[in-house]
Amino acid sequence: QKEVEQNSGPLSVPEGAIASLNCTYSDRGSQSFFWYRQYSGKSPELIMFIYSNGDKEDGRFTAQLNKASQYVSLLIRDSQPSDSATYLCAVPAFQKLVFGTGTRLLVSP
Amino acid sequence: EPEVTQTPSHQVTQMGQEVILRCVPISNHLYFYWYRQILGQKVEFLVSFYNNEISEKSEIFDDQFSVERPDGSNFTLKIRSTKLEDSAMYFCASRGNSNYEQYFGPGTRLTVT
Repeated sequence: QKEVEQNSGPLSVPEGAIASLNCTYSDRGSQSFFWYRQYSGKSPELIMFIYSNGDKEDGRFTAQLNKASQYVSLLIRDSQPSDSATYLCAVPAFQKLVFGTGTRLLVSP
Repeated sequence: EPEVTQTPSHQVTQMGQEVILRCVPISNHLYFYWYRQILGQKVEFLVSFYNNEISEKSEIFDDQFSVERPDGSNFTLKIRSTKLEDSAMYFCASRGNSNYEQYFGPGTRLTVT
């Protein structure tokens, strides 16, 4: 049974700072990882995915995968109040995605 | 940009009633999913559907649940006799054939009274 662990937060950062969100996973064989953003009362929105070790950058977002330590991170540069949301980490398990509980990010102006 | 759509956005029903939640996946996608999220909890997988049959289902997806793709565009989730604990947000998702990226619809909030 694959499991994904996240600190529920909240993680509070000031506007313009770097927010660092972490996720650990149980299955060493996991190959791909997804970050979703979920605003309160809304559905998960795919913002980043990473399939290989190392970093992947997309705009203000960087996903970092460390397979040896079994963690994946999401860095948000120049955080904005509009980034305030819950960030969900997910890993594929056969057909489905297994989600973590999410980390709530609060960006203060 | 193509997106997954769901109707209704909010459904209120009485315990024991049947509900049907509807989804229109992204048009060229082949894999379809239902997830649910009870308020304050994590997103949980219910069922996946491929090639007109269920490919995987969770322990939550018992005999009270069923899915159907009645035509080329719609994908439905039926709950035969709703319970109070079925109250949750239900999300439909779909993905294409070449990767694992799943795209979620806006959800249906189901309230069972």
